Amino acid sequence: AQSVTQPDIHITVSEGASLELRCNYSYGATPYLFWYVQSPGQGLQLLLKYFSGDTLVQGIKGFEAEFKRSQSSFNLRKPSVHWSDAAEYFCAVAARGGNQFYFGTGTSLTVIP
Amino acid sequence: NAGVTQTPKFQVLKTGQSMTLQCAQDMNHEYMSWYRQDPGMGLRLIHYSVGAGITDQGEVPNGYNVSRSTTEDFPLRLLSAAPSQTSVYFCASSYSRGHEQFFGPGTRLTVL
Repeated sequence: AQSVTQPDIHITVSEGASLELRCNYSYGATPYLFWYVQSPGQGLQLLLKYFSGDTLVQGIKGFEAEFKRSQSSFNLRKPSVHWSDAAEYFCAVAARGGNQFYFGTGTSLTVIP
Repeated sequence: NAGVTQTPKFQVLKTGQSMTLQCAQDMNHEYMSWYRQDPGMGLRLIHYSVGAGITDQGEVPNGYNVSRSTTEDFPLRLLSAAPSQTSVYFCASSYSRGHEQFFGPGTRLTVL
């Protein structure tokens, strides 16, 4: 069965520090990969996605993610975190040609001044 | 474009009551889905639809019904609400299956 693991439930970083959020997936073939962000009381907004090609993908708000097939990972990074980045981050996968999205349990990010 | 809209934003029900959560999208997307979000569990798929007249079950379908009579609308029905259905519900749509999903603002449901 497909699964998505976000091993870090909560991360705290200082403003201006770099950030890496981890995501591992379990799937028979390379799926489509996504990162979403959810601000408190809001819906989910797409940060970036990977379908094929270059394994380093750029997204909105200065985020990037790298797909590593050998590690079944799709980690999200940002070189310098801003206070407005405090939110919940979700990794998701979808089977190529499949009907279902699978979400990780999320990582809550706190940014301290 | 309004995107994906959901009504109501908040709802309180008593155990055994029924209600319908509304979802509409104006992007002419084929694929629509309903999720529930519970603390520490991420988003779990309830039901989805790949086009008008076609629906299927997701990971947690029990206690919920859906129908898709038009491309735009995808209502979620709770037939007999239970406290275990207290959650935040999100509707999403995408151009087709496997593609990025666009989410509505959510409905916070409390069942007493």
